[in-house]
Amino acid sequence: AQSVTQLGSHVSVSEGALVLLRCNYSSSVPPYLFWYVQYPNQGLQLLLKYTSAATLVKGINGFEAEFKKSETSFHLTKPSAHMSDAAEYFCAVSQTTSGTYKYIFGTGTRLKVLA
Amino acid sequence: ETGVTQTPRHLVMGMTNKKSLKCEQHLGHNAMYWYKQSAKKPLELMFVYSLEERVENNSVPSRFSPECPNSSHLFLHLHTLQPEDSALYLCASSPGTTNTGELFFGEGSRLTVL
Repeated sequence: AQSVTQLGSHVSVSEGALVLLRCNYSSSVPPYLFWYVQYPNQGLQLLLKYTSAATLVKGINGFEAEFKKSETSFHLTKPSAHMSDAAEYFCAVSQTTSGTYKYIFGTGTRLKVLA
Repeated sequence: ETGVTQTPRHLVMGMTNKKSLKCEQHLGHNAMYWYKQSAKKPLELMFVYSLEERVENNSVPSRFSPECPNSSHLFLHLHTLQPEDSALYLCASSPGTTNTGELFFGEGSRLTVL
């Protein structure tokens, strides 16, 4: 079964500093991977997705993620944090069971941006 | 209109009440999902519908009853819930369950069971 592990339930960075949110997955087949963001009192919004094209994926709001098969990782980065980036971030992997895709989510990482 | 709309946004109910959550998607998608989001837990998939047919029931207690009358609407009927059912219930849609398109989420319905 596929799974997703997000290291660090809380991450704090200073405004302007590098953001690095970690995600590792387990999968027996090439996965499809996603990062979502959730702002307070809202649903999840897609940041970016990897679907076996380029290993470096660029998303919205200046975020990007790199798929590294050898490390089974899909870490999310942003060169310079902004106050508006404070939110919870979820990594997800999709798997197929009898032709039906299911999405498995990590437990989330809450990002705090310090002024 | 926003892509996926959920009502009500907030709901407080007693353990003996019957209530329903509603979800509507305006994206022309064929698949709809219910997820439960509790504090410090991963999102829990509850139900998946593809073209109004339930394709996934993730061992959800019978006090939760889904209904999908058409590909644009999804309901979650609630009956004799427990306090531990208090959570944010998220509806999502995707183009279909047989591709890798991303999920589009509503803003959620915050449920409190007293």
